[in-house]
Amino acid sequence: NAGVTQTPKFRVLKTGQSMTLLCAQDMNHEYMYWYRQDPGMGLRLIHYSVGEGTTAKGEVPDGYNVSRLKKQNFLLGLESAAPSQTSVYFCASSYRLARDLYGTDTQYFGPGTRLTVL
Amino acid sequence: QQQVKQSPQSLIVQKGGISIINCAYENTAFDYFPWYQQFPGKGPALLIAIRPDVSEKKEGRFTISFNKSAKQFSLHIMDSQPGDSATYFCAASIKGGAQKLVFGQGTRLTINP
Repeated sequence: NAGVTQTPKFRVLKTGQSMTLLCAQDMNHEYMYWYRQDPGMGLRLIHYSVGEGTTAKGEVPDGYNVSRLKKQNFLLGLESAAPSQTSVYFCASSYRLARDLYGTDTQYFGPGTRLTVL
Repeated sequence: QQQVKQSPQSLIVQKGGISIINCAYENTAFDYFPWYQQFPGKGPALLIAIRPDVSEKKEGRFTISFNKSAKQFSLHIMDSQPGDSATYFCAASIKGGAQKLVFGQGTRLTINP
């Protein structure tokens, strides 16, 4: 049971380049999330998904796109990278009925991807 | 607009002391308040969480105190150990839907031996 995994771990892009970050979970969770972490800002939600084939915008969605074609995978795309997108990106997943059954909204986070845009 | 404000940004505590981190929120629709612990190079992991129907929750050396009227909650780490050195994030979410968490800015805690 690997939990939540993210690929790649590190990446350096030039301004204007595109890339896709892959998140995979093997816990059969319905909900998946993408966050970015910046110094002094905490974690901010970019996009999220409540199930296969569905996605929605979070707090800071501009410049990013996502897709959830399979329940276990959640992809984050940058079509034209900008230096402001330099950050550490975390994927998370959670069980839909967690709060009802367990009283918790526990989200399980991946190890992160450190992205630098030059 | 930062809906959850966390302080201090950094904290140094001697081994065996009490570490206290505070958070304040604005949205009265929040009804779930977790604390996450993050070690360098790792993703955040749930440490402890509280619902607003109780004023305190304790798990081992970790305690959350919750003040609904003041819209504040805090994390207390008793008998702090060097292994507790990490970054701590408070968060909040609204019941129902996609469990979207709003995080505080984070506190870097250092426990000196």
